[in-house]
Amino acid sequence: EVQLVESGGGLVQPGGSLRLSCAASGFTFSSFWMHWVRQAPGKGLVWVSYITSDGTGTMSADSVKGRFTVSRDNAKNTLYLQMHSLRAEDTAVYYCARSRIGGSGSLGHWGQGTLVTVSS
Amino acid sequence: EIVLTQSPGTLSLSPGERVTLSCRASQSVKSSYLAWYQQKPGQAPRLLIYGASSGATGIPDRFSGSGSGTDFTLTISRLEPEDFAVYYCQQYGSSPYTFGQGTKLEIK
Repeated sequence: EVQLVESGGGLVQPGGSLRLSCAASGFTFSSFWMHWVRQAPGKGLVWVSYITSDGTGTMSADSVKGRFTVSRDNAKNTLYLQMHSLRAEDTAVYYCARSRIGGSGSLGHWGQGTLVTVSS
Repeated sequence: EIVLTQSPGTLSLSPGERVTLSCRASQSVKSSYLAWYQQKPGQAPRLLIYGASSGATGIPDRFSGSGSGTDFTLTISRLEPEDFAVYYCQQYGSSPYTFGQGTKLEIK
């Protein structure tokens, strides 16, 4: 069974940093693109970034470019999102998601999310 | 960036009814790379449809998708009580991938 478990969320002050992790199990992690999607409280889904299966390619939304970095450790079956210069508008539940197949952009499996709150 | 506009914002319906949700793109979605997701309160989204019209694994066949170019629809042939939720479309043909703002299906 595919499992994705996010961790690392919490309360952080504006301008601060946080690193989210997503532990994957139940599939061959190194064969799939992985994504981060966020959802502000009471709002819709917003795609944040993806990373290719071997980690050599990444893409991020303009709203986080230069502040957030997606990475992965295929030996540890773990996806990361390093977030810097956090703003109040980054407050959201952050989901990691696995591509349905290989390099697809459709998201076939999701974690339960981790809440990031940016506030003083 | 491709902007996806979903309509209507909210629909009030009864179990057993048929419903069609709309998703319109600001420019053509490459290769019909359009997906639909269902999200219930407090839960992660669930993939329903990918490639505009292909059902994801384990999704009941009352859910169907159609469309191409800039106009896409999700149809639920006969609403079950568990179908009342928020539905999102997503395009993944062009980066940045984008979601629509969602359509909420509520029980009448």
